[in-house]
Amino acid sequence: AQTVTQSQPEMSVQEAETVTLSCTYDTSESDYYLFWYKQPPSRQMILVIRQEAYKQQNATENRFSVNFQKAAKSFSLKISDSQLGDAAMYFCAYRSAVSGTASKLTFGTGTRLQVTL
Amino acid sequence: DAGVTQSPTHLIKTRGQHVTLRCSPISGHKSVSWYQQVLGQGPQFIFQYYEKEERGRGNFPDRFSARQFPNYSSELNVNALLLGDSALYLCASSLGWEKTQYFGPGTRLLVL
Repeated sequence: AQTVTQSQPEMSVQEAETVTLSCTYDTSESDYYLFWYKQPPSRQMILVIRQEAYKQQNATENRFSVNFQKAAKSFSLKISDSQLGDAAMYFCAYRSAVSGTASKLTFGTGTRLQVTL
Repeated sequence: DAGVTQSPTHLIKTRGQHVTLRCSPISGHKSVSWYQQVLGQGPQFIFQYYEKEERGRGNFPDRFSARQFPNYSSELNVNALLLGDSALYLCASSLGWEKTQYFGPGTRLLVL
């Protein structure tokens, strides 16, 4: 079974600064997807960024980028120019790409990000 | 376009009761997945449906059941509620069963 570990329960960053959230995962599969979701106090889980394991190039979405290290099974999220609206719980998630299986997401325990003035 | 919608937003039940939670996917999405998020934890997979067929089930007891309707909306049913069923129940929809999942706002269930 796949597992996802987020070792930072809480992180803090000053507005306009950069912060990196860590995620490691364990799998024996070679083809899979990795995601970062953001969950603000409103509870709605919002997709931040997605990475296909077969792609060597790291995904980027505006101020959000990932550092995907497949051999190390590491998938960190970098937030540049942090804004107050980035304050939320961030979840790292894994999804198998093996055909014929349920397309379930396996989540980590989350990292709470605080953004200070 | 409307996102994933869920009803009700909040619900209070007592132990032993039954509950039905509802989810409407994004227009054009044919797959719905259900997750349970206990306070302080990441969501746990309960079910996935695609084209009205169950594609997968997580490690939850038979008290949990679900179905998907011809219009692709879905219901999650939980029988004989326990205190431990108190959680945020999230619904996610995707174009196909293997596509990226987009979440609704969730239903907060409190079992007393």
